[in-house]
Order: sequence, then C-alpha cells, then structure tokens
Amino acid sequence: KAGVTQTPRYLIKTRGQQVTLSCSPISGHRSVSWYQQTPGQGLQFLFEYFSETQRNKGNFPGRFSGRQFSNSRSEMNVSTLELGDSALYLCASSLGSTNNEQFFGPGTRLTVL
Amino acid sequence: GDSVTQMEGPVTLSEEAFLTINCTYTATGYPSLFWYVQYPGEGLQLLLKATKADDKGSNKGFEATYRKETTSFHLEKGSVQVSDSAVYFCALSRDSNYQLIWGAGTKLIIKP
Repeated sequence: KAGVTQTPRYLIKTRGQQVTLSCSPISGHRSVSWYQQTPGQGLQFLFEYFSETQRNKGNFPGRFSGRQFSNSRSEMNVSTLELGDSALYLCASSLGSTNNEQFFGPGTRLTVL
Repeated sequence: GDSVTQMEGPVTLSEEAFLTINCTYTATGYPSLFWYVQYPGEGLQLLLKATKADDKGSNKGFEATYRKETTSFHLEKGSVQVSDSAVYFCALSRDSNYQLIWGAGTKLIIKP
C-alpha cells in the first residue's frame, strides 16, 4: 500500500510570495492533518480535514489555509510568505478517529528568502 | 491548554544500556498517548500508543505505560542498539480534537 506522498519535497520562495503544498493520503484514509516543524517551535498543528470539512484549526494566522478534495487529497496554501514560515511542513493521514495512528509523509521543506 | 513535556536531549547512551525518556502531559479528560520516532533522513512514524489509563503500548522492544495518576507516559527499552538512534516525540490527542499535541522531542544517540 502506497504511503503518504507530499509534493514538492523542496521549495525556495521569497518574502511576499505565496505557496501551495500538496498531500496525497493513504488510500482509504479520509483524514488529513498538516503540521509545521521548526527547530525553535517544534511540531505545531496547522489544521485537520475529514471528508472535505475542516474539523480543527491550530493557532496560525489566516495566511495559512487549506482544503481537501473529494478524493481526500489535500492542499495547504501560505500567502504573503514571511521569513519565519521557513519550516518542514508535514502531512499525515489517518482513518479519522482521535486514537487512530497518523501516517506521515516525508514533508515539504520550505525556505523563504 | 493541553501540553506535553519531554526530557531535554540529547540523551547519549552506550549500546545495551537501559533507556528511559520521560514524558508528562497536561490535558482534560482522557487523552490518547503516543510515541513517534523520527530516524535520520526519514519521516515520523508511530512507535507505540496507549488509549486508556494503565494501558501499556509496546513495539520493537520499547514500552510505555499510561499512568493517569502521575500524568506520565515514559518510554523505556531494556537494551538499546545503535540503530535506535533517532529523535523521539511524545504526543497526545483528545476526543473530538483531531490533532496531535507534541512534546519538543528527545534526540537519542547510541554509541557502540
């Protein structure tokens, strides 16, 4: 069974630009979560989608947004990039209950110059 | 709010030593507790979990017991190997919250 895939794996952008990251979950998984990982703040929850509905959102500014499509694939968008947005963005998929294992993708490394 | 506190690393041990990585949590209700591991150059993967008090999760020789009275979920292994070198994250999730709340991670270095 194919794992969680994320594209692109690496991105370099400049301040003020916007970026879209993509995540394809494991087949049959309807929940997709996004996390930001930085050396200073560690792993922080961005948002979670289940069957195209956002069920929970973390404490990030409105510049961070996401969506989920009917095939469970998800995208996250960051507008007006700031230097502090440089991070590893991780996507995880699961069956959707809180005690289900989340399966993580390899991440997208975003560098903002 | 909910939080997870892990012992700071790095933790450096010799091969075959006993390992304990401490994890305590603050949360309302009865969260599910997890240990995830991130090997060098790889993604996060679930190591073990426990979903109710007194449950013991185990995998690959690692164990952790959900202690409600001490709000702890310490990770243990009786004899570590060089291949266990990685970063270990403790995390929790609560019903109807649909998110993992993470500890800061503990880097483990095993020397031959």
